[in-house]
Amino acid sequence: AQSVTQLDSHVSVSEGTPVLLRCNYSSSYSPSLFWYVQHPNKGLQLLLKYTSAATLVKGINGFEAEFKKSETSFHLTKPSAHMSDAAEYFCVVSLNDYKLSFGAGTTVTVRA
Amino acid sequence: NAGVTQTPKFQVLKTGQSMTLQCAQDMNHEYMSWYRQDPGMGLRLIHYSVGAGITDQGEVPNGYNVSRSTTEDFPLRLLSAAPSQTSVYFCASRGGRAIVYEQFFGPGTRLTVL
Repeated sequence: AQSVTQLDSHVSVSEGTPVLLRCNYSSSYSPSLFWYVQHPNKGLQLLLKYTSAATLVKGINGFEAEFKKSETSFHLTKPSAHMSDAAEYFCVVSLNDYKLSFGAGTTVTVRA
Repeated sequence: NAGVTQTPKFQVLKTGQSMTLQCAQDMNHEYMSWYRQDPGMGLRLIHYSVGAGITDQGEVPNGYNVSRSTTEDFPLRLLSAAPSQTSVYFCASRGGRAIVYEQFFGPGTRLTVL
């Protein structure tokens, strides 16, 4: 069985400060892991993915995530938040080719 | 390329009505799927297809039918709409069978069932 837990349903940060979005997964195997972003009334866009190569993964728009097998975590970070980062973020895990399991999502608000 | 397109953007149905949500992609992708998004639940897979003529069920298939007669199109049919099917529906496609390929999402269809 596989599942993914996003530990925060809502994160609020000030512009220019770091962002941390936490994701834990449960898996009996080495998973593929993804972070997607959804801006209001839009579809989902891939931020980054981990597929058993480097454990520190760099994505678009300055985001990166670190895969920690010992902690079964895949937390997403950005050193300096921008107003355009306000969106909903989904951590996603997959074990096989056909099915993805989505976390419940974390809504990020950015204060000016 | 238009990518993944979905129609309509919004739809209101009465309980018991049927309708088809359209999805098309112009990237020649083998894999296509349908998800529904509900608050606090992320996206849940309804049905998916790994190529023309091949479909399979996801997590929440009840009340929905799909078919894949061409590579480009993957319509989702609601047989008899229920209020529990009020949701935002996303279609997605992927260039290869391996999960390492990026999944591209359409803009969504917001469905309300009264």
